[in-house]
Amino acid sequence: EPEVTQTPSHQVTQMGQEVILRCVPISNHLYFYWYRQILGQKVEFLVSFYNNEISEKSEIFDDQFSVERPDGSNFTLKIRSTKLEDSAMYFCATESSGTRNYNEQFFGPGTRLTVL
Amino acid sequence: AQRVTQPEKLLSVFKGAPVELKCNYSYSGSPELFWYVQYSRQRLQLLLRHISRESIKGFTADLNKGETSFHLKKPFAQEEDSAMYYCASGSGNTGKLIFGQGTTLQVKP
Repeated sequence: EPEVTQTPSHQVTQMGQEVILRCVPISNHLYFYWYRQILGQKVEFLVSFYNNEISEKSEIFDDQFSVERPDGSNFTLKIRSTKLEDSAMYFCATESSGTRNYNEQFFGPGTRLTVL
Repeated sequence: AQRVTQPEKLLSVFKGAPVELKCNYSYSGSPELFWYVQYSRQRLQLLLRHISRESIKGFTADLNKGETSFHLKKPFAQEEDSAMYYCASGSGNTGKLIFGQGTTLQVKP
């Protein structure tokens, strides 16, 4: 069964450094999402992406964050200058095409980002 | 703002006992509601959604608009049901999901 994959599984970085988190969606999926979960807190929506542009972003998703799908396969989340509070588990999720009536979102295993 | 509330962090029951995981939502429009589950060391996966009105692994959830609730129920819990359960609400046309805090279900033998 096809799965969403994410790399790396764990990323440790210094405050102020740039990180890129990668996601490989299920091949025929067209809607892409990033969520994050700070330890002990709820899963929070960051951004949705469709047709090569952002559909919606949360307040968390400020100018330090960006997303792109540079080669038509990988879907990336970039944090330009990481802060301590960016430490979290980041989940990629993808959804198939079809009518926009809340099809199932398939989640990746997550990337644990630790900012020191 | 749209909000999903799961009042219990932990629910511990014995095998064979009934289970009810509570979820309340606030949304002015017609909500799209889901239950996602995360088993130990596995990824988040969809358990069921209200629009399907289905029973998965013996679990059901009924949307109660009057009480703005979408509680997850199972008449007889099994040990393999032990997991983290998240209630989620969809909004707008962008597919964004708003999650509750999650409830850990622990089924004891």
